[in-house]
Amino acid sequence: EAQVTQNPRYLITVTGKKLTVTCSQNMNHEYMSWYRQDPGLGLRQIYYSMNVEVTDKGDVPEGYKVSRKEKRNFPLILESPSPNQTSLYFCASSGGFGYTFGSGTRLTVV
Amino acid sequence: DQQVKQNSPSLSVQEGRISILNCDYTNSMFDYFLWYKKYPAEGPTFLISISSIKDKNEDGRFTVFLNKSAKHLSLHIVPSQPGDSAVYFCAASVQNYGQNFVFGPGTRLSVLP
Repeated sequence: EAQVTQNPRYLITVTGKKLTVTCSQNMNHEYMSWYRQDPGLGLRQIYYSMNVEVTDKGDVPEGYKVSRKEKRNFPLILESPSPNQTSLYFCASSGGFGYTFGSGTRLTVV
Repeated sequence: DQQVKQNSPSLSVQEGRISILNCDYTNSMFDYFLWYKKYPAEGPTFLISISSIKDKNEDGRFTVFLNKSAKHLSLHIVPSQPGDSAVYFCAASVQNYGQNFVFGPGTRLSVLP
């Protein structure tokens, strides 16, 4: 089954403790992206990657890092999480005409 | 400033009636538009798309209309069903610039039995 898999689904952490949210796709898509969803703001793009070793900032990249060492994986790294990064995060991949989204990671930073 | 706007945060419709969800955009370069549907605790799923070379696209109960001069698109659901209750996101992109989509804030549709 074609899918985008994110882990974990839920995460509660403390301010400043580094964390990684993993994302993997099995569709051989070149394009992958991370979004955060906040009430009233919709889905805002954090980072995207057009291919392996090619990443670029989206609209809200501050406080986040990504890497794309292989085509299927696109982890999101929060080096020093802060409470304003409490949000619902979605990973997505695309083969050209729209995104396939993962199920989301709800992150709470206390 | 939001490039893609969905000015109605929520909409309630009776089962069997038509649901109309609206979306406006400001960037005249956008030439490809998508609608996504999102249930709680799930990721958004693709619903329907339209290219700027068309002004209408249908898929079963779902029809998307595009008015390029007004920079406006709308999603019509006929007839509405309780299972259509979800958040609907409009998204737009400039196809020649790759696959980055700009999303609207979403409209929560409630279809009442």
